[in-house]
Amino acid sequence: QVQLQESGPGLVKPSETLSLTCTVSGGSISSYYWSWIRQPPGKGLEWIGYIDYIGSTNYNPSLKSRVTISIATSKNQFSLKLTSVTAADTAVYYCAREPDCSSTTCYAYFDPWGQGTLVTVSS
Amino acid sequence: SYELTQPPSVSVSPGQTARITCSGDVLPKQYAYWYQQKPGQAPVLVIYKDSERPSGIPERFSGSSSGTTVTLTISGVQAEDEADYYCQSADSSETYRVFGGGTKLTVL
Repeated sequence: QVQLQESGPGLVKPSETLSLTCTVSGGSISSYYWSWIRQPPGKGLEWIGYIDYIGSTNYNPSLKSRVTISIATSKNQFSLKLTSVTAADTAVYYCAREPDCSSTTCYAYFDPWGQGTLVTVSS
Repeated sequence: SYELTQPPSVSVSPGQTARITCSGDVLPKQYAYWYQQKPGQAPVLVIYKDSERPSGIPERFSGSSSGTTVTLTISGVQAEDEADYYCQSADSSETYRVFGGGTKLTVL
C-alpha cells in the first residue's frame, strides 16, 4: 500500500523559500503523477501543481511564478519549492498521488494523500 | 472558467439523507471527484469519476452528475460522517486541477 510522507521546515521567514519533500513508500514513484496541495488554516484546499514520472510539470497559474516541483526517482521522492513567501503562504501542505494519469490518458484525482505538514511563515 | 461552487454548509439528522452539490461549467466535460476531510486529518477520496466508490468506502456514499452540477449523496447519515466535503475536477485539457470551496456537513 502506497504511503506518502511530507518533510521540511515548519517555520519559514518572509521573503525566503519554502522547501518540502515528499517520500513515497510501498510503491515506485516512477509511474503516475504526483501533486502538491495546500490548505491555509480554517480554509479550503488549493492545488499547487504536479509532476509526472518523467519530470514534466504543471502549476496553478496563481502560483506559477514562484513554484518549482522536482522529482528524484532514485530516492522515491518529489519536492516543492515556493519562493518569496509571505504570511499568506502559511498552510498545511499535502503531497498526493494521482493514480489514474499516464502518458495517454489522465483522470486527475488524488489518492492517497500524505498526512500533511504545517508551514508557518513568520519572522 | 474552471471554478467549482459548493454550499458552505449542510445539516442533516442521523439516519436521513444528505445531498451536497457542486456546480461548475467544466463538469459536463470532466469527471468530478469527492473528498471527505475530518478535523486534523488529510482528505480521503470517497467518490471518483462522478459516481465510482473506492474500495473501503461505505455503500451509503454515492455520486451523480447532471449537466453542470454533481451531487454527493450520503444515505442513512451517521455521526461519523460529520466532516468537510470537497469536490474537485480538472480543466478540459487535464492541465489544471481545481477544488470547490468545501461544504461542512453537520449531523444534528
